[in-house]
Amino acid sequence: KQEVTQIPAALSVPEGENLVLNCSFTDSAIYNLQWFRQDPGKGLTSLLLIQSSQREQTSGRLNASLDKSSGRSTLYIAASQPGDSATYLCAVMMDSSYKLIFGSGTRLLVRP
Amino acid sequence: NAGVTQTPKFRILKIGQSMTLQCTQDMNHNYMYWYRQDPGMGLKLIYYSVGAGITDKGEVPNGYNVSRSTTEDFPLRLELAAPSQTSVYFCASRGPGNTIYFGEGSWLTVV
Repeated sequence: KQEVTQIPAALSVPEGENLVLNCSFTDSAIYNLQWFRQDPGKGLTSLLLIQSSQREQTSGRLNASLDKSSGRSTLYIAASQPGDSATYLCAVMMDSSYKLIFGSGTRLLVRP
Repeated sequence: NAGVTQTPKFRILKIGQSMTLQCTQDMNHNYMYWYRQDPGMGLKLIYYSVGAGITDKGEVPNGYNVSRSTTEDFPLRLELAAPSQTSVYFCASRGPGNTIYFGEGSWLTVV
């Protein structure tokens, strides 16, 4: 059974700092891995999607990497801003039903 | 396109009552999903559908039912509501390139 773990559960950093969020999964037979952002009381917004054949994806100040063989992904946020404060969730997409298995998220606070 | 639309946004139910959470998408996506999110946790899959007329159970289906009579609509029914069903419910659909589109969520409290 696929299990997705995110560390740390919460993170508080000063504005401007570069930071890394970690995601690990137990079954490497995935279609892709996705990172989402969730603001309090809101739905999920897709940030980055890495196909199983890819090593990384970049969007602006965000860079996500994938090491399928070791079951790990990282989300790197450069020059963090208070507007980056949110919960970040990673999810792996499994089998032909395209189901997503989620981690519990990392709650990020960027202090001004 | 409106994307994925869920109603209601908030609802309070009494124990034993039943209700239906509505979900509709206007993107002509075949795959649709219902997830629940408990406080401080990730999302868990309740039911999913690969197209009109076809549904299947996810990780936590007990206490719920779904139907998929059209491509657009995927309602989730709660029968005999229990306090354990207090949660936030998200509907989602799968688009091109396996991008997942989420609705804004439905906050349900069972008292």
